[in-house]
Amino acid sequence: KQEVTQIPAALSVPEGENLVLNCSFTDSAIYNLQWFRQDPGKGLTSLLLIQSSQREQTSGRLNASLDKSSGRSTLYIAASQPGDSATYLCAVKGGSEKLVFGKGTKLTVNP
Amino acid sequence: DARVTQTPRHKVTEMGQEVTMRCQPILGHNTVFWYRQTMMQGLELLAYFRNRAPLDDSGMPKDRFSAEMPDATLATLKIQPSEPRDSAVYFCARAPGPPNTEAFFGQGTRLTVV
Repeated sequence: KQEVTQIPAALSVPEGENLVLNCSFTDSAIYNLQWFRQDPGKGLTSLLLIQSSQREQTSGRLNASLDKSSGRSTLYIAASQPGDSATYLCAVKGGSEKLVFGKGTKLTVNP
Repeated sequence: DARVTQTPRHKVTEMGQEVTMRCQPILGHNTVFWYRQTMMQGLELLAYFRNRAPLDDSGMPKDRFSAEMPDATLATLKIQPSEPRDSAVYFCARAPGPPNTEAFFGQGTRLTVV
C-alpha cells in the first residue's frame, strides 16, 4: 500500500527566503508525482507534474525534483512571497492509477 | 479545457437525508476520482473510475455511499442516509487519457450534516 509523507507539516518563513518542501513515498513503482497548492476553502490547483522518467520540472519560481529510487521529491520555492502562503500537497500515481496524497505542508510567508 | 465543475458548492442537510454531489464534464477515456477531505484525515480516496467502470471503491462505505456515472459526461456521489460524520469537503478530479497524465480537481462540495 502506497503511503505518502510530507515534512514539515507547517513552515513559516520571512518573505524573500528560498525554501524546500519534502515529500516521500513508500512504493517507487509510480507513473508520476504531482504537486498541488490549496488555498483555504478552495480546491486543488496543479503546480507541477513529474513523470517517473523525469528528474525535475520547473515553472517560474517553482522547481520540483524526483528521485524515484529513493522515494523522494522536493518542491523548491525561490524568493518566497506572501502570496505563496497556502497548503502544498504532493500526490503519487501508482500502477493501479490510484492517486495517493500526503497530508500537506502549510506554508506561511510573512511580509 | 481542463476545468471540472462540482455542484453544489455548499450543502447543509439534516441527518438521514439523501445527498447527491455532481462533477462534470467528464470526457471520454478519463479516470475520475472522488476524495473526501477533513482536517483530521486529510484527503481520502473514496473511489475512482475509468471509462465509467469502477476501478476501486474500497475507500467508500458502501452501505450508504454510491458513486456512478449516469452518462458519459457526469459523475455523481450519493450518500443515503447522510450522517453528521459525513461532514467534509468532497472533491472530484479527472485525469484525461493515459495513466501518466495530470489530474485536475474541481472546487469541491462542502457538506454539513446536522
